[in-house]
Amino acid sequence: KNEVEQSPQNLTAQEGEFITINCSYSVGISALHWLQQHPGGGIVSLFMLSSGKKKHGRLIATINIQEKHSSLHITASHPRDSAVYICAVDQTGANNLFFGTGTRLTVIP
Amino acid sequence: DTEVTQTPKHLVMGMTNKKSLKCEQHMGHRAMYWYKQKAKKPPELMFVYSYEKLSINESVPSRFSPECPNSSLLNLHLHALQPEDSALYLCASSWGGPADTQYFGPGTRLTVL
Repeated sequence: KNEVEQSPQNLTAQEGEFITINCSYSVGISALHWLQQHPGGGIVSLFMLSSGKKKHGRLIATINIQEKHSSLHITASHPRDSAVYICAVDQTGANNLFFGTGTRLTVIP
Repeated sequence: DTEVTQTPKHLVMGMTNKKSLKCEQHMGHRAMYWYKQKAKKPPELMFVYSYEKLSINESVPSRFSPECPNSSLLNLHLHALQPEDSALYLCASSWGGPADTQYFGPGTRLTVL
């Protein structure tokens, strides 16, 4: 069983649409990370959350610690948002990151 | 400077070759990581160095040998690899442990023939 589950696995959206990617985890965590990986490999850290909500430009990340759930929202999606979005959690006391399997987002012009 | 650099970008090697991957950061981070990523899979942690000491080795085969010469540099020495070791190898660094934001390098795409 994966400690981190993401949904959906694949998502296709029209440009301008509001997008939500979900992440559920089963362990106690110190922090949750949202990462973006473009084709070609480079990974960019988007957010690190331990509670509440963070916003950066068109991206919003929320976390509900009690429900062990986080969401990543993209407003006014654009083709350049096309990438794989990965949720990762730092399990309390484990000194390790557990990764979800990623959500492949394609935004069509 | 918020960049993690990795060299080479691409590497093709035979099963009897010895090669090394290099990673460098100048952000003053005290933790550095090696990840292996197969196609369409999430990264898998291989090694963590914290304050230049190996703190986690996720039971990686001995044909992979990490080295941290100083706090800015991380090497991964490769010897007698198998074709199934072909993957993208990612380096990352963070100020403290995995709970801190990790900065990733662009990766080295390794092909073992």
